[in-house]
Amino acid sequence: GQNIDQPTEMTATEGAIVQINCTYQTSGFNGLFWYQQHAGEAPTFLSYNVLDGLEEKGRFSSFLSRSKGYSYLLLKELQMKDSASYLCAVSSRPRTDKLIFGTGTRLQVFP
Amino acid sequence: EPEVTQTPSHQVTQMGQEVILRCVPISNHLYFYWYRQILGQKVEFLVSFYNNEISEKSEIFDDQFSVERPDGSNFTLKIRSTKLEDSAMYFCASRRGGGVDEKLFFGSGTQLSVL
Repeated sequence: GQNIDQPTEMTATEGAIVQINCTYQTSGFNGLFWYQQHAGEAPTFLSYNVLDGLEEKGRFSSFLSRSKGYSYLLLKELQMKDSASYLCAVSSRPRTDKLIFGTGTRLQVFP
Repeated sequence: EPEVTQTPSHQVTQMGQEVILRCVPISNHLYFYWYRQILGQKVEFLVSFYNNEISEKSEIFDDQFSVERPDGSNFTLKIRSTKLEDSAMYFCASRRGGGVDEKLFFGSGTQLSVL
Protein backbone atom coordinates (compact mmCIF):
# COMPACT_ATOMS: atom_id res chain seq x y z
CA GLY A 1 0.00 0.00 0.00
CA GLN A 2 0.88 3.67 -0.09
CA ASN A 3 1.16 5.53 3.16
CA ILE A 4 2.69 8.87 4.05
CA ASP A 5 2.49 10.12 7.61
CA GLN A 6 3.02 13.60 8.98
CA PRO A 7 1.99 15.24 12.24
CA THR A 8 -1.28 17.08 11.82
CA GLU A 9 -0.36 20.25 13.63
CA MET A 10 2.67 21.93 15.16
CA THR A 11 3.25 25.20 16.90
CA ALA A 12 6.43 27.18 17.35
CA THR A 13 7.67 30.61 18.34
CA GLU A 14 9.02 33.29 16.06
CA GLY A 15 12.79 32.98 15.72
CA ALA A 16 12.83 29.33 16.74
CA ILE A 17 13.66 26.19 14.76
CA VAL A 18 11.06 23.56 13.90
CA GLN A 19 11.39 20.13 12.34
CA ILE A 20 8.48 18.58 10.47
CA ASN A 21 8.78 14.84 10.00
CA CYS A 22 7.44 12.66 7.22
CA THR A 23 7.55 8.87 7.03
CA TYR A 24 6.54 7.00 3.94
CA GLN A 25 5.82 3.50 2.69
CA THR A 26 5.24 3.49 -1.03
CA SER A 27 5.45 1.11 -3.96
CA GLY A 28 8.49 2.57 -5.61
CA PHE A 29 10.38 5.72 -4.74
CA ASN A 30 11.99 8.30 -6.95
CA GLY A 31 12.18 11.36 -4.79
CA LEU A 32 10.37 13.30 -2.11
CA PHE A 33 9.01 16.81 -2.42
CA TRP A 34 8.07 19.35 0.22
CA TYR A 35 5.47 21.96 -0.61
CA GLN A 36 4.23 24.93 1.40
CA GLN A 37 0.56 25.84 1.27
CA HIS A 38 -0.89 28.98 2.80
CA ALA A 39 -4.60 28.85 3.50
CA GLY A 40 -6.60 29.31 0.32
CA GLU A 41 -3.53 29.40 -1.88
CA ALA A 42 -1.63 27.11 -4.21
CA PRO A 43 0.96 24.68 -2.86
CA THR A 44 4.39 26.06 -3.70
CA PHE A 45 7.55 24.03 -4.14
CA LEU A 46 10.12 24.08 -1.35
CA SER A 47 12.50 21.18 -1.92
CA TYR A 48 13.22 17.89 -3.62
CA ASN A 49 15.36 15.05 -2.24
CA VAL A 50 16.21 11.83 -4.03
CA LEU A 51 19.57 11.00 -2.44
CA ASP A 52 20.18 10.45 1.25
CA GLY A 53 21.31 13.49 3.13
CA LEU A 54 20.56 17.10 3.79
CA GLU A 55 19.69 19.73 1.20
CA GLU A 56 19.96 23.28 2.47
CA LYS A 57 18.23 26.23 0.89
CA GLY A 58 18.34 29.39 2.95
CA ARG A 59 16.26 29.08 6.11
CA PHE A 60 14.78 25.78 4.91
CA SER A 61 16.55 22.41 4.81
CA SER A 62 15.25 19.00 3.91
CA PHE A 63 16.67 15.62 4.87
CA LEU A 64 16.08 12.18 3.43
CA SER A 65 16.88 8.66 4.57
CA ARG A 66 15.71 6.19 1.94
CA SER A 67 16.55 3.13 4.04
CA LYS A 68 14.32 4.41 6.85
CA GLY A 69 11.59 5.83 4.64
CA TYR A 70 11.97 9.11 6.44
CA SER A 71 12.32 12.78 5.65
CA TYR A 72 12.15 16.00 7.57
CA LEU A 73 11.82 19.65 6.73
CA LEU A 74 13.77 21.99 8.99
CA LEU A 75 12.73 25.61 9.25
CA LYS A 76 15.12 27.99 10.98
CA GLU A 77 14.65 31.54 12.23
CA LEU A 78 10.90 31.15 12.04
CA GLN A 79 8.87 34.09 10.86
CA MET A 80 5.17 34.73 11.21
CA LYS A 81 4.76 34.27 7.45
CA ASP A 82 5.94 30.66 7.84
CA SER A 83 2.54 29.82 9.33
CA ALA A 84 1.19 27.47 6.69
CA SER A 85 0.62 23.82 5.88
CA TYR A 86 3.65 21.80 4.82
CA LEU A 87 2.97 18.92 2.47
CA CYS A 88 5.25 15.94 2.02
CA ALA A 89 4.82 14.17 -1.33
CA VAL A 90 6.49 11.10 -2.81
CA SER A 91 7.20 10.51 -6.47
CA SER A 92 7.40 7.05 -7.93
CA ARG A 93 8.10 8.18 -11.47
CA PRO A 94 8.48 6.81 -14.01
CA ARG A 95 6.37 3.94 -12.72
CA THR A 96 3.54 6.36 -12.04
CA ASP A 97 3.23 10.03 -12.81
CA LYS A 98 1.29 10.96 -9.71
CA LEU A 99 2.58 12.50 -6.55
CA ILE A 100 1.35 10.84 -3.38
CA PHE A 101 0.75 13.39 -0.66
CA GLY A 102 0.72 13.17 3.08
CA THR A 103 -2.06 14.87 5.00
CA GLY A 104 0.09 17.94 5.55
CA THR A 105 1.31 19.54 8.75
CA ARG A 106 -0.26 22.79 9.77
CA LEU A 107 2.36 24.99 11.41
CA GLN A 108 1.39 27.96 13.51
CA VAL A 109 4.10 30.44 14.43
CA PHE A 110 3.42 32.63 17.43
CA PRO A 111 5.15 35.90 18.33
CA GLU B 1 7.26 34.35 -12.02
CA PRO B 2 4.89 32.52 -14.38
CA GLU B 3 1.95 30.88 -12.68
CA VAL B 4 -0.87 28.46 -13.25
CA THR B 5 -4.21 30.27 -13.20
CA GLN B 6 -7.56 28.73 -12.37
CA THR B 7 -11.08 30.01 -12.76
CA PRO B 8 -13.43 30.34 -11.05
CA SER B 9 -12.00 30.48 -7.56
CA HIS B 10 -15.33 29.32 -6.15
CA GLN B 11 -18.10 27.36 -7.80
CA VAL B 12 -21.40 26.42 -6.23
CA THR B 13 -23.61 23.96 -8.04
CA GLN B 14 -26.61 21.74 -7.50
CA MET B 15 -26.20 17.99 -7.34
CA GLY B 16 -26.57 16.47 -10.78
CA GLN B 17 -25.41 19.57 -12.63
CA GLU B 18 -22.41 19.71 -14.90
CA VAL B 19 -19.43 21.88 -14.00
CA ILE B 20 -16.35 22.87 -15.93
CA LEU B 21 -13.27 23.96 -14.07
CA ARG B 22 -10.78 25.94 -16.08
CA CYS B 23 -7.03 26.20 -15.93
CA VAL B 24 -4.32 27.97 -17.88
CA PRO B 25 -1.04 26.12 -17.29
CA ILE B 26 2.33 27.81 -17.64
CA SER B 27 2.91 28.41 -21.31
CA ASN B 28 5.99 26.28 -21.97
CA HIS B 29 4.85 23.37 -19.82
CA LEU B 30 4.03 20.04 -21.39
CA TYR B 31 2.52 17.96 -18.58
CA PHE B 32 -0.79 18.83 -16.97
CA TYR B 33 -2.61 17.51 -13.94
CA TRP B 34 -5.69 17.76 -11.81
CA TYR B 35 -5.58 17.06 -8.10
CA ARG B 36 -8.24 17.59 -5.50
CA GLN B 37 -8.37 18.08 -1.75
CA ILE B 38 -11.47 17.37 0.26
CA LEU B 39 -11.59 19.55 3.36
CA GLY B 40 -9.28 18.18 6.03
CA GLN B 41 -7.96 15.40 3.82
CA LYS B 42 -4.94 14.74 1.61
CA VAL B 43 -4.29 16.18 -1.79
CA GLU B 44 -5.29 13.38 -4.19
CA PHE B 45 -4.25 12.78 -7.75
CA LEU B 46 -7.03 12.69 -10.34
CA VAL B 47 -5.47 12.67 -13.79
CA SER B 48 -2.38 13.48 -15.80
CA PHE B 49 -2.36 14.67 -19.41
CA TYR B 50 0.48 14.75 -21.91
CA ASN B 51 0.68 15.05 -25.66
CA ASN B 52 -3.06 15.64 -25.93
CA GLU B 53 -4.12 12.52 -24.13
CA ILE B 54 -4.64 11.17 -20.66
CA SER B 55 -1.47 9.46 -19.50
CA GLU B 56 -2.72 8.27 -16.13
CA LYS B 57 -5.88 8.48 -14.05
CA SER B 58 -6.89 7.47 -10.57
CA GLU B 59 -9.85 5.39 -9.47
CA ILE B 60 -11.58 8.65 -8.52
CA PHE B 61 -11.53 9.74 -12.16
CA ASP B 62 -14.53 7.73 -13.32
CA ASP B 63 -16.82 8.21 -16.32
CA GLN B 64 -18.28 11.35 -14.80
CA PHE B 65 -14.95 13.13 -15.21
CA SER B 66 -13.26 14.27 -18.38
CA VAL B 67 -10.41 16.57 -19.31
CA GLU B 68 -9.75 18.56 -22.40
CA ARG B 69 -7.15 20.86 -23.83
CA PRO B 70 -9.32 22.67 -26.39
CA ASP B 71 -6.61 25.06 -27.54
CA GLY B 72 -2.98 25.83 -26.88
CA SER B 73 -3.54 27.41 -23.51
CA ASN B 74 -6.56 26.08 -21.64
CA PHE B 75 -6.91 22.81 -19.74
CA THR B 76 -10.35 21.95 -18.39
CA LEU B 77 -11.87 19.44 -16.01
CA LYS B 78 -15.52 18.58 -16.55
CA ILE B 79 -17.72 16.78 -14.08
CA ARG B 80 -20.86 15.69 -15.90
CA SER B 81 -23.24 15.04 -13.04
CA THR B 82 -21.92 16.32 -9.76
CA LYS B 83 -22.38 14.45 -6.49
CA LEU B 84 -22.22 15.76 -2.96
CA GLU B 85 -18.92 13.97 -2.46
CA ASP B 86 -17.36 15.92 -5.33
CA SER B 87 -17.23 18.95 -3.06
CA ALA B 88 -13.53 19.73 -2.74
CA MET B 89 -10.77 22.12 -3.72
CA TYR B 90 -9.60 21.23 -7.21
CA PHE B 91 -6.02 22.09 -8.13
CA CYS B 92 -4.63 22.25 -11.60
CA ALA B 93 -0.88 21.72 -11.93
CA SER B 94 1.71 21.67 -14.66
CA ARG B 95 5.35 20.90 -15.14
CA ARG B 96 7.76 21.71 -17.86
CA GLY B 97 9.46 18.42 -18.68
CA GLY B 98 9.76 14.74 -17.95
CA GLY B 99 12.68 14.74 -15.53
CA VAL B 100 12.05 12.94 -12.27
CA ASP B 101 13.02 16.06 -10.32
CA GLU B 102 10.75 18.37 -12.27
CA LYS B 103 8.58 20.19 -9.78
CA LEU B 104 4.88 20.70 -10.14
CA PHE B 105 3.50 24.21 -10.27
CA PHE B 106 0.03 24.40 -8.77
CA GLY B 107 -2.77 26.83 -9.38
CA SER B 108 -4.56 28.40 -6.44
CA GLY B 109 -7.52 26.09 -6.87
CA THR B 110 -11.24 26.12 -7.46
CA GLN B 111 -13.38 25.47 -4.41
CA LEU B 112 -16.32 23.39 -5.64
CA SER B 113 -19.37 23.14 -3.42
CA VAL B 114 -22.10 20.71 -4.47
CA LEU B 115 -25.44 21.30 -2.74
